[in-house]
Amino acid sequence: EPEVTQTPSHQVTQMGQEVILRCVPISNHLYFYWYRQILGQKVEFLVSFYNNEISEKSEIFDDQFSVERPDGSNFTLKIRSTKLEDSAMYFCASNVQTGVGSPLHFGNGTRLTVT
Amino acid sequence: QKEVEQDPGPLSVPEGAIVSLNCTYSNSAFQYFMWYRQYSRKGPELLMYTYSSGNKEDGRFTAQVDKSSKYISLFIRDSQPSDSATYLCAIFGNEKLTFGTGTRLTIIP
Repeated sequence: EPEVTQTPSHQVTQMGQEVILRCVPISNHLYFYWYRQILGQKVEFLVSFYNNEISEKSEIFDDQFSVERPDGSNFTLKIRSTKLEDSAMYFCASNVQTGVGSPLHFGNGTRLTVT
Repeated sequence: QKEVEQDPGPLSVPEGAIVSLNCTYSNSAFQYFMWYRQYSRKGPELLMYTYSSGNKEDGRFTAQVDKSSKYISLFIRDSQPSDSATYLCAIFGNEKLTFGTGTRLTIIP
């Protein structure tokens, strides 16, 4: 069964550094998402992306964050200057279309540790 | 009021018991409803989704939606130790998926 893949599985970085988290969504999917989960807390929406544009973003997704689909397969999340509170699991998700009948499929996440 | 509310548990039941997991939501514009299972340090895994009021069954799992009460449930029959995980309700609306806090479930052999 096709799946969403994310790399790396674990990223350690120093505060203030830039990180790029990578995702390969399911090949025929058109809508892409990033979520994060701080340890012990709920899964939170960050951003949705369709047709090379951000379609929705949360308050968490401030100017430090950006997303890109640099080619036909990858979908990336960049954090420009990481803070300690950015430490979390970051999940990529995708679906065929938005709306009824198209659930989101998630990757296994990248654990980001900011020291 | 939170958009999606879910009792975080933890919930422990003996093997073979019926498990009932529940969520409430506040926004009647929410369009459809999902249950995900999440094992430790893994991504959410889709279990079931539905968009109408009523029941939907898949093997030992039944998802129930009551739109008039804004209440959704997941029932697990004949629970197994392998069902031990965190169960997340999730509701899609306004172009995004909103999760509950998750209920940590342990099935005791």
